[in-house]
Amino acid sequence: SQELEQSPQSLIVQEGKNLTINCTSSKTLYGLYWYKQKYGEGLIFLMMLQKGGEEKSHEKITAKLDEKKQQSSLHITASQPSHAGIYLCGADLAGGGADGLTFGKGTHLIIQP
Amino acid sequence: DTAVSQTPKYLVTQMGNDKSIKCEQNLGHDTMYWYKQDSKKFLKIMFSYNNKELIINETVPNRFSPKSPDKAHLNLHINSLELGDSAVYFCASSQTRHEQFFGPGTRLTVL
Repeated sequence: SQELEQSPQSLIVQEGKNLTINCTSSKTLYGLYWYKQKYGEGLIFLMMLQKGGEEKSHEKITAKLDEKKQQSSLHITASQPSHAGIYLCGADLAGGGADGLTFGKGTHLIIQP
Repeated sequence: DTAVSQTPKYLVTQMGNDKSIKCEQNLGHDTMYWYKQDSKKFLKIMFSYNNKELIINETVPNRFSPKSPDKAHLNLHINSLELGDSAVYFCASSQTRHEQFFGPGTRLTVL
């Protein structure tokens, strides 16, 4: 089974609407990273969460890490066409600090005008 | 200006060939990584290098070998390429316990 479950797999939202993407792990998340990937391009770092209960915001995007450090959510308020892309959560599951990230399978976000 | 760069951007080659992908970072990071993204966009760690030492190696065939001539470079060598190696390969770098910065990716197509 997947170590990091991301949902939904795809999401079609009307422009201006809010949306939420979830990322769940069966293991403790020593670090949780949200990235955005535009089709055919590299990954753009959005936010990093490390402490239980932590919440960060950047423009219209807010990410939270639950108290137990096993689930994170990414919330976009008043979505815009520029938000379209693939959102990936990546997790440090080993805690070693220099290991690679384990990624979820991504959420394909489409914004309908 | 580019923080993490990869060359080439596209690589088309025949089965059985040997090829290399280069990666350079100018961020002064101490750890570099290689990831493979398959056709379904699933991104999976292949290797990481910290202070010129390989510290993790997932279940990757030994046809793949990372080589780091210095702290700013981590190249990926692939021997005897197979059809299943077709994917997008991403290089990344980070300072320990900080966010990873990704390169633009190299799309490898094996014919």
